[in-house]
Amino acid sequence: QQPVQSPQAVILREGEDAVINCSSSKALYSVHWYRQKHGEAPVFLMILLKGGEQKGHEKISASFNEKKQQSSLYLTASQLSYSGTYFCGHSGGSGGSNYKLTFGKGTLLTVNP
Amino acid sequence: GAGVSQSPRYKVAKRGQDVALRCDPISGHVSLFWYQQALGQGPEFLTYFQNEAQLDKSGLPSDRFFAERPEGSVSTLKIQRTQQEDSAVYLCASSSSTGINEKLFFGSGTQLSVL
Repeated sequence: QQPVQSPQAVILREGEDAVINCSSSKALYSVHWYRQKHGEAPVFLMILLKGGEQKGHEKISASFNEKKQQSSLYLTASQLSYSGTYFCGHSGGSGGSNYKLTFGKGTLLTVNP
Repeated sequence: GAGVSQSPRYKVAKRGQDVALRCDPISGHVSLFWYQQALGQGPEFLTYFQNEAQLDKSGLPSDRFFAERPEGSVSTLKIQRTQQEDSAVYLCASSSSTGINEKLFFGSGTQLSVL
């Protein structure tokens, strides 16, 4: 099943904060976050692993609640360069098709001057 | 190369034509993925290669879709007898390992339009 992201879209002024949420109906092994600008490749931001380890971006933080099967991405003091569509993706487990990511529909973030 | 390269960047096909989309992953990357991204949607998994072996093709929409990676580097996604519903951006991604805990490096994609 596809993870559900909220909000679908958010508009900020430069310097403001935002939170993007990602929830799943299945048990999660890891949550991945990517940002995609229009017409460009998705770019890696963060991986959150079961057990709390984070791997990723310096200026963006995230949380992963395994029990609630939810992840949140925190963007603080937003910059114009943060604009884009943010996707969360989840993998199902450590075995089997653990390489496969299922992505949400995305959250469109617009940062204005 | 510096990143994942895909060609062509844009492809317009008449319904019923065959198309071939190419992906050059980062040199030495073991894993290669193809994803399909419809307008306004997230990427959807199509198929996965570990070196030259196609380990998962469960996401391919029909038997008109075929992917290969014969020497474990460059990959080609072929779509036969294209249909309008095949119109989408086709993304290729590679990673340096076989596990899920490594980041994917995506190409900019091939935008396929079937008329």
